[in-house]
Amino acid sequence: DSGVTQTPKHLITATGQRVTLRCSPRSGDLSVYWYQQSLDQGLQFLIHYYNGEERAKGNILERFSAQQFPDLHSELNLSSLELGDSALYFCASSPHKTDTQYFGPGTRLTVL
Amino acid sequence: GIQVEQSPPDLILQEGANSTLRCNFSDSVNNLQWFHQNPWGQLINLFYIPSGTKQNGRLSATTVATERYSLLYISSSQTTDSGVYFCAVVQYNFNKFYFGSGTKLNVKP
Repeated sequence: DSGVTQTPKHLITATGQRVTLRCSPRSGDLSVYWYQQSLDQGLQFLIHYYNGEERAKGNILERFSAQQFPDLHSELNLSSLELGDSALYFCASSPHKTDTQYFGPGTRLTVL
Repeated sequence: GIQVEQSPPDLILQEGANSTLRCNFSDSVNNLQWFHQNPWGQLINLFYIPSGTKQNGRLSATTVATERYSLLYISSSQTTDSGVYFCAVVQYNFNKFYFGSGTKLNVKP
């Protein structure tokens, strides 16, 4: 157990809908990262927050947004969902800005 | 962005064998990590190794930043080592992570 929790574990929804994925980092970790893993695109970095502020943005679509709250948990919002958004979404946390990352179990999103 | 290439893409080993996985990257990096994704999908960080050598049990890693590559050594492999090994880097002066496509390892009993 990495100490990073993600909810929900599975999510099935329809095209056009909006969902929110939640991540709680390990106690004391200030950084939260979001990744998408799909069969055709592999592992893709989406976004990195450090202590409530956005630090880096990767291949995150405009339909997606994220934030990190004062208690350091983070949410990834996916809207206007398309079939191609079906993937595993991982959250990771680390103590500081650039060090070892610890991954959550992931949320499997299926868009029908 | 930076290109990250991992080799070999697939590897089949007999239990007890040793192996070396390679990660090449196209530009200077200030962060490099190796991850293992087990057959159940869980991602585990193995090493944070932007340069130098580290060892953890049967695993060790070496990054030669000046030559833009990193190696992951697995000795006396076990069936529990099966899964996909990913290398991820952060390009120097940027903060984005780039992943290689992984090496899929199958250790047979």
